[in-house]
Amino acid sequence: DVKVTQSSRYLVKRTGEKVFLECVQDMDHENMFWYRQDPGLGLRLIYFSYDVKMKEKGDIPEGYSVSREKKERFSLILESASTNQTSMYLCASSLIAPRSGYTFGSGTRLTVV
Amino acid sequence: QKEVEQDPGPLSVPEGAIVSLNCTYSNSAFQYFMWYRQYSRKGPELLMYTYSSGNKEDGRFTAQVDKSSKYISLFIRDSQPSDSATYLCAMSLGGLSGGYNKLIFGAGTRLAVHP
Repeated sequence: DVKVTQSSRYLVKRTGEKVFLECVQDMDHENMFWYRQDPGLGLRLIYFSYDVKMKEKGDIPEGYSVSREKKERFSLILESASTNQTSMYLCASSLIAPRSGYTFGSGTRLTVV
Repeated sequence: QKEVEQDPGPLSVPEGAIVSLNCTYSNSAFQYFMWYRQYSRKGPELLMYTYSSGNKEDGRFTAQVDKSSKYISLFIRDSQPSDSATYLCAMSLGGLSGGYNKLIFGAGTRLAVHP
């Protein structure tokens, strides 16, 4: 069963900590994405990557960075966690073909205290 | 104006009802239309996928696209409590946008089916 795996389901971190969220896909997908999902705001794209070592900013990149050293792994980094980054974080991957849907991970619920 | 508009609900229906979920969009260039289902505390999963206008049926689910009205719908027949979830519509231009496969998502409609 193909999947996208996020390393943690729940995380609690302190303000100012550096936080790493890991995502691994086993489908050989070229594209990978990080979203955050908040009530009333829907899915908001933070960063995406269309190839190894390539990254592009999404709609809300401030306070975040990413790393894609291998095709199957895409990491989201919160440089200095703040309470307004408390959210559900979703990783997704897709083929490069425009008609392809995204496959999502189960999400990481991050709470910053 | 958002590219994709979706009523957030919540929508509450009795078991067995026919449910209609809808999205409107502003960009006539969208060609691929999808519906995702998201259970509580889970990631979205692809439910239905259609290309251009027309209907597509899969069991109790029917996806409908009306490109002339820029309107898409998901119908659920004989709804079950297990259908309780958030449903997100998503759309694609049909070509690479900025070098990648870009989907535009609606905000999601929360559906509750009660016994």
